Amino acid sequence: GAVVSQHPSWVICKSGTSVKIECRSLDFQATTMFWYRQFPKQSLMLMATSNEGSKATYEQGVEKDKFLINHASLTLSTLTVTSAHPEDSSFYICSARRGSKPMDEQYFGPGTRLTVT
Amino acid sequence: GNSVTQMEGPVTLSEEAFLTINCTYTATGYPSLFWYVQYPGEGLQLLLKATKADDKGSNKGFEATYRKETTSFHLEKGSVQVSDSAVYFCALSDQNFNKFYFGSGTKLNVKP
Repeated sequence: GAVVSQHPSWVICKSGTSVKIECRSLDFQATTMFWYRQFPKQSLMLMATSNEGSKATYEQGVEKDKFLINHASLTLSTLTVTSAHPEDSSFYICSARRGSKPMDEQYFGPGTRLTVT
Repeated sequence: GNSVTQMEGPVTLSEEAFLTINCTYTATGYPSLFWYVQYPGEGLQLLLKATKADDKGSNKGFEATYRKETTSFHLEKGSVQVSDSAVYFCALSDQNFNKFYFGSGTKLNVKP
């Protein structure tokens, strides 16, 4: 099956610093990737949709300047949390759509746990 | 708006027991419904899906039927195994499959 990886799997950073999370589709090209955030015992919330070579589309309430998304290639999307604060601590999950049709399946990465101290 | 509600866990069963995990949804339009499973340390994997009312999705012994009249998509399995221990997420997507709405997940523990 299709594999999506995330790096790092967990990261601890100090308040005020920035941290980058990578999402890679290992054995397929992904025109579209998605970034989700999950709070403990809560559902995944879509943060943004990124299309290769264009600007990401952010969901309402998500700060574009705080959560920078770059989808520079068909196998890599990055999420940078800028000037991180403790309230940004969460589990971040990406998914990648295999194929160009909306109904093509999304494959999920294992997630990255961010802790901001 | 769109939302998904699923039963809280954890659910603990003995091997070969019958499993039901309830899922209800609120949606506009004609959503598609999904069950995803997440094993420890791994990403969510699609377990089954149904794209229209009365469709039944099935995979690996799991089944769920898209019930529009009750806005439900309950997950069932007749005989669970220890290897089924995981977190199960119910989800719906809009008609364009661009946005997914997930339930909070239900952890299943199956004991030998």
